[in-house]
Amino acid sequence: DIQMTQSPSSLSASVGDRVTITCRTRQSISSYLNWYQHTPGKAPKLLIYAASSLQSGVPSRFSGSGSGTDFTLTISSLQPEDFATYFCQQSYNTPYTFGQGTKLEIK
Amino acid sequence: QLQLQESGPGLVKPSETLSLTCTVSGDSISSSLYYWGWIRQPPGKGLEWIGNIYNSGSTYYNPSLKSRVTMSVDTSKNQFSLSLSSVTAADTAVYYCARQEDIVLPKFDCWGQGSLVTVSS
Repeated sequence: DIQMTQSPSSLSASVGDRVTITCRTRQSISSYLNWYQHTPGKAPKLLIYAASSLQSGVPSRFSGSGSGTDFTLTISSLQPEDFATYFCQQSYNTPYTFGQGTKLEIK
Repeated sequence: QLQLQESGPGLVKPSETLSLTCTVSGDSISSSLYYWGWIRQPPGKGLEWIGNIYNSGSTYYNPSLKSRVTMSVDTSKNQFSLSLSSVTAADTAVYYCARQEDIVLPKFDCWGQGSLVTVSS
């Protein structure tokens, strides 16, 4: 299985801040990396696919970058609705695996 | 608008079989573009992919669960289902159903809200 290492596990920030979350793998997964947002009580939401492609309807303040083994999710200017948990997922091969998640909290 | 909704018992006894159904609305489960999957998250832990099913009935399971998992699809009801046998407390989790779209690369582009299943006597 491809192990996903996501950091940090939690993060405190303020509205308007720029934040970056990192996901790493031990083996190359090319650009087969997706990012999701999960708010408690709601369905997880796809934000970024193929490492850097913005899913339709997702605000442009979200961006993704990276390829191979190192990937980042950046939120350029935090909005109140962005405080949630974010997790990465590799779809390079099965079994698909996920990062442990980053909980983004209000400072 | 596409929606997925999980349903099933919230409490299952150890050694019994967990059964969940995902009802899809706003799209046909018979579409050739998509796979339909199950993912779970035990309390305080990360997400685990359980497996996918195609509308033809072809299945792809996580090897860690393969011996206990069965997935099926009912195109007449626009539903797909999960069965997990011989459950233990370690199977306590929120279970999500999701649609997997493979254009460009595989990704879960729509999820249900999740269904908490507790394994306890």
